[in-house]
Amino acid sequence: DAKTTQPPSMDCAEGRAANLPCNHSTISGNEYVYWYRQIHSQGPQYIIHGLKNNETNEMASLIITEDRKSSTLILPHATLRDTAVYYCIVRVEGADKLIFGTGTRLQVFP
Amino acid sequence: DTEVTQTPKHLVMGMTNKKSLKCEQHMGHRAMYWYKQKAKKPPELMFVYSYEKLSINESVPSRFSPECPNSSLLNLHLHALQPEDSALYLCASSHPGGGWANEKLFFGSGTQLSVL
Repeated sequence: DAKTTQPPSMDCAEGRAANLPCNHSTISGNEYVYWYRQIHSQGPQYIIHGLKNNETNEMASLIITEDRKSSTLILPHATLRDTAVYYCIVRVEGADKLIFGTGTRLQVFP
Repeated sequence: DTEVTQTPKHLVMGMTNKKSLKCEQHMGHRAMYWYKQKAKKPPELMFVYSYEKLSINESVPSRFSPECPNSSLLNLHLHALQPEDSALYLCASSHPGGGWANEKLFFGSGTQLSVL
């Protein structure tokens, strides 16, 4: 699986958009980009995933660059409950493994 | 029901004890996972079961012994652990097949294990 690089921490004001970047410059054509988050003392929670098109769901939007070497997770209106560690993961189609990188610790402040 | 239930939530054991962690899901998932997470570190994959058969063992020491007695249950048997094995143990499940990459994992809240 391709490795990902994320900033170790970010801050965001409540109500503002949180934009979390991820670099995956060695991604292969059959690898998907996944985002999970882990709120303190809980198990990781799936947020969104995509292959090459931008994706949106009720939680977030995922923007993938045309060359697929990087992506951005957007939380459009961050709340205090969005404070968590956010993991960007690339995963080969058909692979059993989901391997976590070091993640970004997002702190949302009032 | 979209929950993965892990028991116990907390466990303290001595190095000579034998204990088991349990994980249960009723979402019809046929893939189940064990992860280990040390404080302030990302989860590390330990084992994957697919259709009740062990498909991945990430070179985990034999003092950890997984078991999948049926499609809803996953156990992790612990014996002769070391203090450095103290960690949060997470269970997850997903649908396998038809393109694994499209299948999201559902995680339990974990068992916080302390080895004395």
